[in-house]
Amino acid sequence: DIVLTQSPDSLAVSLGERATINCKSSQSLLHSSNNKNYLNWYQQKPGQPPKLLIYWASTRESGVPDRFSGSGSGTDFTLTISNLQAEDVAVYYCQLHYNTPHFGPGTKVDIK
Amino acid sequence: EVQLVESGGGLVKPGGSLRLSCAASGFTFSNAWMRWVRQAPGKGLEWVGRIKNKIDGATTDFAAPVKGRFTISRDDSKNTLYLQMNSLKIEDTALYYCTTDVAVAGTGAFDVWGQGTMVTVSS
Repeated sequence: DIVLTQSPDSLAVSLGERATINCKSSQSLLHSSNNKNYLNWYQQKPGQPPKLLIYWASTRESGVPDRFSGSGSGTDFTLTISNLQAEDVAVYYCQLHYNTPHFGPGTKVDIK
Repeated sequence: EVQLVESGGGLVKPGGSLRLSCAASGFTFSNAWMRWVRQAPGKGLEWVGRIKNKIDGATTDFAAPVKGRFTISRDDSKNTLYLQMNSLKIEDTALYYCTTDVAVAGTGAFDVWGQGTMVTVSS
């Protein structure tokens, strides 16, 4: 089974600063057929379902603010939140799709 | 408006059964691969299982912890997804979400989620 790890478990960032979340897969998520990385990012606020932010590692979902960006390829991926806003307080999950979906354990982002 | 609405959750004793439903609207349900994802209280997200559309055989796949106990079915005439849960265990206690890919089909991502229905397994 593929294992997804996220780091850190939690972080506190000052308003307007940058938050960086890492996600590492035990196997490459790069599909040679289309050169796409099947790694997605979600935001989940308390009491709400997850919200898709980024798919294919770096493609921003429609309507997602451009302060959210994804990068990486193969086994190592990063979600960056630039200019952190109060409404960005949430838990962030990475998710791979390799035959079946798997979610990372989540990273909690708070305001410092 | 694209929407998924789950129902059927509740309190059940260990070893019991429960059937969850997920009513879909705003998209062509019959074309969609549908999934169930759960979240235990205070924990992360866990994929439960999936049913493909009829064109792709309507086959199902399940996560190891629920394989053999849970089944997924769909009624395309009612735009409804089901999760039949048998031999429930305390560790099945969770908020159960149905989810699918509408605008991001083929990416492995899920862009539509319901609000979830809570299942509590306790004696």
